[in-house]
Amino acid sequence: QVTLRESGPALVKPTQTLTLTCTFSGFSISATGMSVGWIRQPPGKALEWLALIDWDDDKYFSTSLKTRLSISKDTSKNQVVLTMTNMDPVDTATYFCARRPPRILMTDSGYFDLWGQGTLVTVSS
Amino acid sequence: QSVLAQPPSASGTPGQRVTISCSGSSFNIGGYTVNWYQQLPGTAPKLLIYSDNQRPSGVPDRFSGSKSGTSASLAISGLQSQDEAEYYCAAWDDTLHGVIFGGGTKLTVL
Repeated sequence: QVTLRESGPALVKPTQTLTLTCTFSGFSISATGMSVGWIRQPPGKALEWLALIDWDDDKYFSTSLKTRLSISKDTSKNQVVLTMTNMDPVDTATYFCARRPPRILMTDSGYFDLWGQGTLVTVSS
Repeated sequence: QSVLAQPPSASGTPGQRVTISCSGSSFNIGGYTVNWYQQLPGTAPKLLIYSDNQRPSGVPDRFSGSKSGTSASLAISGLQSQDEAEYYCAAWDDTLHGVIFGGGTKLTVL
């Protein structure tokens, strides 16, 4: 059974750095083509993709946030860590991690087939 | 404003067929496959359609996806009250080098 679970602080202060951990089971991020991504959703708003890390350590970031984001993986612990610097109240959102299985064709967008339950992060002083 | 344009709302009565559109460009929908996600209130999104028109195991065949050029559509037939949710389209974008989501469509079952 594949599961993903996000963990991290529920409250951060403006200008602080947010560190979120995605702990997963039932698959290996070392498997060829496997990826894990982060997506967030401000209250009452749409989904916004943040970052993606591939099995071979390739990394992709949202253009609008790339200067503030970093992503890493710990294969032995089955974890993916997202870091976001200089947090602001507009970053208040539920943060999800999700698995992206291997793409078949180069024209595949790739899809997130399994998601964590999400963790709400509030940015406030 | 999202790169992928969806109507903010849609509605239908039980048993009806409704469609939700998703409009993009040659840099995303026109060049890559489209995925659809269903998000019930207070829950994480769930994959509904992948690779334009494929249903994951367990998704009823009342849900179908299609794509033509730079637009995609999600169709729901035999509408049920439990279909009331937010629906998002998504695709890879070449210019942004990343995943993009539509703004979401809130489906109301009247």
